[in-house]
Amino acid sequence: DVKVTQSSRYLVKRTGEKVFLECVQDMDHENMFWYRQDPGLGLRLIYFSYDVKMKEKGDIPEGYSVSREKKERFSLILESASTNQTSMYLCASRPLAGPYNEQFFGPGTRLTVL
Amino acid sequence: AQSVAQPEDQVNVAEGNPLTVKCTYSVSGNPYLFWYVQYPNRGLQFLLKYITGDNLVKGSYGFEAEFNKSQTSFHLKKPSALVSDSALYFCAVRDEGGGSYIPTFGRGTSLIVHP
Repeated sequence: DVKVTQSSRYLVKRTGEKVFLECVQDMDHENMFWYRQDPGLGLRLIYFSYDVKMKEKGDIPEGYSVSREKKERFSLILESASTNQTSMYLCASRPLAGPYNEQFFGPGTRLTVL
Repeated sequence: AQSVAQPEDQVNVAEGNPLTVKCTYSVSGNPYLFWYVQYPNRGLQFLLKYITGDNLVKGSYGFEAEFNKSQTSFHLKKPSALVSDSALYFCAVRDEGGGSYIPTFGRGTSLIVHP
C-alpha cells in the first residue's frame, strides 16, 4: 500500500521561529509537492520537485524554501514563521512516468503560528 | 492556461438521494481531469480520473463522473448518497497541450449528506 507520511499532524510555533515540515514517501516517486490549504482558497502550490536536488517555485513560494536531498524525502522550511503562515500543509508525490498520473497525499500538518 | 471551477461551495443532499458535485474546466488542449476527496483532518484521496475514452468514468466508493467536452464539465455523481460521503471534494485539471506540468485544483465543494 502506497504511503506518504508527514512528520507532524499538529504543530504550534512562535513568530520568528524556523520551522521544518518533513514529508516521506515510500513509492519511489520522482515528483513531490508541497501545498497549502486554506478555507475558501483550495490548494495552492508552494513548491514542487521533479527529482532529487531539483525544485521549482509554485504559486506562493514567498516565505518558504524546500530541500530534496534524497528521493523519498521533501522538506518544507519556513525561514521565519509568521502568523499568516498558519495553515494546513499537504505533501504529495507522483510518479514521473505519465503526466496523467494521480497524486498521493499525506495526512497533512496543521501549523499554528502564534 | 488551465483553470478549473467548482461553482458550489456546499452541496446538501438527503441520504439515499442521488448526488452531483459540479466541476467545469478551461484548457487549450485536451484535459486530464481528476476528483479527490478529503475527509475531516485528513489528506486528499484520489477518487477517479479521465484521460481519454469513455465519457463515463467509474471510481472508488461508488462514485462516477461524466466528461462532457462540449460543456467543458466533469461532474461527480453517485446514485445513492451515504452519510459517510460527507466530505470536501476537489476537482483538478491538467492541460495536455499546455505548458504546466502541475494540475490546477478547484477551491473544493463541501458535501453534506443528511440522515
